[in-house]
Formats: sequence, structure tokens, C-alpha cells
Amino acid sequence: SAVISQKPSRDICQRGTSLTIQCQVDSQVTMMFWYRQQPGQSLTLIATANQGSEATYESGFVIDKFPISRPNLTFSTLTVSNMSPEDSSIYLCSVRLAGASSYNEQFFGPGTRLTVL
Amino acid sequence: AQRVTQPEKLLSVFKGAPVELKCNYSYSGSPELFWYVQYSRQRLQLLLRHISRESIKGFTADLNKGETSFHLKKPFAQEEDSAMYYCALSTPQLTFGKGTKLSVIP
Repeated sequence: SAVISQKPSRDICQRGTSLTIQCQVDSQVTMMFWYRQQPGQSLTLIATANQGSEATYESGFVIDKFPISRPNLTFSTLTVSNMSPEDSSIYLCSVRLAGASSYNEQFFGPGTRLTVL
Repeated sequence: AQRVTQPEKLLSVFKGAPVELKCNYSYSGSPELFWYVQYSRQRLQLLLRHISRESIKGFTADLNKGETSFHLKKPFAQEEDSAMYYCALSTPQLTFGKGTKLSVIP
């Protein structure tokens, strides 16, 4: 498995501001993902963070709203831009480990609980 | 497009009773399925993967391609099994079902 940390663990933000969430992994990973879990809902994939290139976004998510960086194999950031109350959610970082024995399984960080007022 | 359906939002069972959490999937390729669990105030963690055919914490899940199902089962529920359970399909990105909240009544 892997140890995945996220910062901040929670934040309360004002409408119109932006928040950057960091994800750090202690192992070599092949893929990093960002998910959103809205209150009472399941997890929705926002994007795949690609090292050294633009992230791959899922339908309904755009780079201007959720810019993502991945400067190396073990670190990524997600920014939630120009926030509105609808962005209140838990944002989760997820990784797939390098190595043949990983079976494509993914591990999840503890999440960042964002509240937008 | 791929889809994962968990028909039960909430499932309540008595301690010691059998548990079955239903999961059906829709995918044109060869499916790779997982069960994840989220205990109260803890992060999402992997419970089972179909490819390894293992039993974890007494839970098992069998992939039935004919019925496109991957139901999670346990013969005797324990109070500590109370949690949110998510079925997920890897394509290779994970698509999650809406989750089932299992409540085990003492």
C-alpha cells in the first residue's frame, strides 16, 4: 500500500476565492487521480493528473475551474477556483502504485473537506 | 459507457445475520471490480478485488459475468461491519456506485 497525505484536511472559504489542495505520496506511483465526493453522494472522478503535462479531465470538469499540477511522480495539486457554495465537497487524491502486483487497485488519501460560504 | 449500480442506499441487518450488498455493472470490456469500504471518520479503503478471489474480514464477492454482478457477502454480520460500502469498476479509471450504508443492529 501507500501513505497518502493531503493538505489541508479541511477549510472554510469565501465565495469567489480559490483553494489549492496538495497530495503527497510516499511511494512511486503510476497514476494519480482527483475525486470529488459531494455531501451524501458517491465519488466522482474529476481528472487524472499526468506528470509533466496537462491533466485529463472528465466530462463536466474543466481546467479553468480545477487546474491540476503534477510536477513529479509523488506530488500533485488541485486548485478549486472561483469557488461557490456548490463546490462544498470532500476532495480526494487517489493513486495507483507502480509494480506488477498492484492489480490496478487504487488507494485514497484522507480527503480535504471544503466548505464554501 | 460504464456504470455501477448499487440498488440499496441503506441496509440494516441484525448481528449474526447474513449480509449481501448488491452490485451490478455495465461494461463492454473485461471487467475489473473492487469493493471499497469507508468506516466512520476514516478514509476510503480497499476491501476486496475480484481478481484475487480472497476473503477479507469474512467478506467474499464473486464476479458473475452472466448476471453482470459482483455482490458482497458475509455469512454472519458483526457490529464493526457498519460502514459505507462502494462497488467500483476499473476501466482503468475507477467508476463508483452510489454506495450502500450497512448498519448492523446489536
